[in-house]
Amino acid sequence: NAGVTQTPKFQVLKTGQSMTLQCAQDMNHNSMYWYRQDPGMGLRLIHYSVGAGITDQGEVPNGYNVSRLNKREFSLRLESAAPSQTSVYFCASRAQTRKFGNQPQHFGDGTRLSIL
Amino acid sequence: AQSVTQLDSHVSVSEGTPVLLRCNYSSSYSPSLFWYVQHPNKGLQLLLKYTSAATLVKGINGFEAEFKKSETSFHLTKPSAHMSDAAEYFCVVIGYKLSFGAGTTVTVRA
Repeated sequence: NAGVTQTPKFQVLKTGQSMTLQCAQDMNHNSMYWYRQDPGMGLRLIHYSVGAGITDQGEVPNGYNVSRLNKREFSLRLESAAPSQTSVYFCASRAQTRKFGNQPQHFGDGTRLSIL
Repeated sequence: AQSVTQLDSHVSVSEGTPVLLRCNYSSSYSPSLFWYVQHPNKGLQLLLKYTSAATLVKGINGFEAEFKKSETSFHLTKPSAHMSDAAEYFCVVIGYKLSFGAGTTVTVRA
C-alpha cells in the first residue's frame, strides 16, 4: 500500500550541481504533479503531467524540467541548482486525466532539498 | 480571479476544546474545496472535500467543514482537539486552477 513514493527524502547540493528527484505511484493514476512548498506560501505547482509523454508548466516552472516516460513515474530535474530552489518538493497523483478536477490528489512524503 | 485565504496562520487550543480553522475563497467557477493536513516531515493527507453535494462535509478524525456560498467560506471544525491534531492544515480550492492556502499551524496544549 505504498501510494506515492519519493526519493530521496533529503539532499544537499552545491550551487550549480544537477539533480533528479524521483516519484513513483502504484495507484494507476493518470495525472501527476510536482509542487514546491515554502514557508507561508502553501504549495506551488511546478509542472504536471496528464499521461505518459505529456507534460506542461505550472505556476513556477523556471529552472526545472520534468519527464514522464510511463504512467507510473514522474521525475523532476534541476539542471543547475540555485539557492532559491531550496525547498521541500512534493509529488502528487490523481486518477483523472484533466489537469484539475474534483478528485483529490494523493501526496508523497516529500524531498527536502537544500542548496548551498 | 481565484484565491484562497486562510485567516489564521497559527491556532493554539487546549486538548479537549473545539478547533476552528477559517478559510475564505474567491472563484468565478463553482469550486471544489478540500482540506488537507500535514504532519511534520510528512506529505499532505486529505481530510475532507466538498464537490457541490451536501454543504456540511464530514471528514476523517472527527473533522467537518461547512460550505457557505453566501460567505464564500469553508471553515474546518472539530468539537474536541486531540494531541495528535497538532499539524499544519491547508485549504485548497479548485476552480479554473488549483489554489493552496498558506496554511494554518495548529498546536494543542495538554
